[in-house]
Amino acid sequence: VQVEQSGAEVKPPGSTVRISCKVSGYTFTEYYLHWIKQAPGKGLEWMGLVDPEDDGSVYAERFQGRLTITADTSLDTAYMELSSLTSEDTALYYCRTGGSTNGFDMWGQGTMVIVSS
Amino acid sequence: DILMTQSPLSLPVTPGEPASISCRSSQSLLYSDGYNYLDWYLQKPGQPPQLLIYLTSNRASGVPDRFNGSGSGTSFTLKITRVEAEDVGVYYCMQAVQTPRTFGQGTKVEIK
Repeated sequence: VQVEQSGAEVKPPGSTVRISCKVSGYTFTEYYLHWIKQAPGKGLEWMGLVDPEDDGSVYAERFQGRLTITADTSLDTAYMELSSLTSEDTALYYCRTGGSTNGFDMWGQGTMVIVSS
Repeated sequence: DILMTQSPLSLPVTPGEPASISCRSSQSLLYSDGYNYLDWYLQKPGQPPQLLIYLTSNRASGVPDRFNGSGSGTSFTLKITRVEAEDVGVYYCMQAVQTPRTFGQGTKVEIK
């Protein structure tokens, strides 16, 4: 099982970043795909999830309105798009897949996003 | 949102000695299926978090049996029976009973 994220990004304030997360080695539609933020030197913050089976998503309230998480079953890939970037969005972003009840839990390597003019 | 509170936030440990981390939730993590949806993760420096314990007390694949999780409702504990040097890092509890998922602040374990 592999979870491969796209590379680091440097974005100006006010712009939008899109990160991809490609999975392999299991059935993509079997588990939700979560996105987790980790600001420099800080803890883990859950952002939202997508159900690849129906592309339905759930977002943390503080990201509502500027976060979009989607899944493309033809590519076994999920995407996280965050708009209206500020310096507070500078962080490492992880995708994570797995179930809550069977111990299957895989994380991507993380994608660093730096918001800077 | 469910608030997760860990203690201590910093834990110096001696190799070979036991260690314990507490995690409390602002609401019960007991689901209708009878399980408490509480997971424990370890994040080693420069790595993504790795699952140690799921559903309160089940070790993930490959996790040594010196790691033990217990608890129910709103109070949970991760115990390491004999700490080894490779156990250093930041430990997080996470509730998985509802969205948004929420994490504890993290407990940094380091060798004395």
